[in-house]
Amino acid sequence: DTEVTQTPKHLVMGMTNKKSLKCEQHMGHRAMYWYKQKAKKPPELMFVYSYEKLSINESVPSRFSPECPNSSLLNLHLHALQPEDSALYLCASSQDRGRASYNSPLHFGNGTRLTVT
Amino acid sequence: TQLLEQSPQFLSIQEGENLTVYCNSSSVFSSLQWYRQEPGEGPVLLVTVVTGGEVKKLKRLTFQFGDARKDSSLHITAAQPGDTGLYLCAGEGLETSGSRLTFGEGTQLTVNP
Repeated sequence: DTEVTQTPKHLVMGMTNKKSLKCEQHMGHRAMYWYKQKAKKPPELMFVYSYEKLSINESVPSRFSPECPNSSLLNLHLHALQPEDSALYLCASSQDRGRASYNSPLHFGNGTRLTVT
Repeated sequence: TQLLEQSPQFLSIQEGENLTVYCNSSSVFSSLQWYRQEPGEGPVLLVTVVTGGEVKKLKRLTFQFGDARKDSSLHITAAQPGDTGLYLCAGEGLETSGSRLTFGEGTQLTVNP
């Protein structure tokens, strides 16, 4: 079982809907990440939060809005998405983003499979 | 921009065969991680290699980091159907703080019984 929990597992939404993806970890990690993954492709980094502050936004369209309410929770708010945004959205955490990652590798959740119709 | 070229992209073999996956770059990495992702799940870390020339073994899996820390390989001996999955290498840059992981394109391995 993964220690990073993502809900929901599957989500189907229309282009005018507003929905949110949720991620939770209780490992005391201080860095949390959102990745987008298309089928048979590597994860693409979207956002990084470090100590609850947004530290990286990889030029993601504003229809994706991240939020980190506290050190254990990470949300991704979705609004007016396009069909090409359909993908697996992965949340990950690491102990500390400031240190070399071999001291704090990524722990991934099992993702939310998003379909935009 | 650091790039990691991973090969082959797709590999379909019979149970019991051996295979090697390669991860190459023109850039130096401070460390390199290997992940395996099974259908419907997130990637799971298999190993991290840090020192040039380092070899790590995980049961039937052998990981090697090149002497110059620009490349890595994953060798699987006597592959099993349970080894089926997407194998991803990911390199960490040399920045001292907050470096990004660069993922390779992945190798989709299918081991047929």
